[in-house]
Amino acid sequence: GAVVSQHPSWVICKSGTSVKIECRSLDFQATTMFWYRQFPKQSLMLMATSNEGSKATYEQGVEKDKFLINHASLTLSTLTVTSAHPEDSSFYICSAAPGTGIDEQYFGPGTRLTVT
Amino acid sequence: GQNIDQPTEMTATEGAIVQINCTYQTSGFNGLFWYQQHAGEAPTFLSYNVLDGLEEKGRFSSFLSRSKGYSYLLLKELQMKDSASYLCAVRGNRDDKIIFGKGTRLHILP
Repeated sequence: GAVVSQHPSWVICKSGTSVKIECRSLDFQATTMFWYRQFPKQSLMLMATSNEGSKATYEQGVEKDKFLINHASLTLSTLTVTSAHPEDSSFYICSAAPGTGIDEQYFGPGTRLTVT
Repeated sequence: GQNIDQPTEMTATEGAIVQINCTYQTSGFNGLFWYQQHAGEAPTFLSYNVLDGLEEKGRFSSFLSRSKGYSYLLLKELQMKDSASYLCAVRGNRDDKIIFGKGTRLHILP
């Protein structure tokens, strides 16, 4: 089956620093990857849609200069949280779609970010 | 705008049957998904409906009525491991973007 990995699985950083999270599709090429954020006991909130070779599309209310997304290849997308603050502490999950017209997305295991 | 509604919490007994409802209002419709999510883990895919009717997969079934903007997930022969959140999600148009509901936390009692 399709496997999506994320690295790191958890990270603790100090306020003001930047953190990079990687999302990889291991056994398929992902034309599109999605980044979600989930706060405790809440649902997944789509942050942005990442397309290989083009700029990401951000959802309303998501700061593109704060959450930098790079989809450099068909198997890798990265999310960089710049100048992190404690309110950025959350569970970040990526998902990958093999192409258009697919029936499902495949989710990575998530990255728990804690900003102190 | 887009809106997906599902109950916040439900409780059921081991071995029983439970139905989790989901209603949606979206700009366009291109499929409805159900995902299971255990605490601290990523969602796992359960089902996908794009046409009206019932899709059965083992102990889980999912139903869709596009005219009513309504779906349900039916879980049979409940097991303790079914205690999780169940997320209803809709793809509103053909850009592959999926919008999630807030999820239903299902508690299974022995």
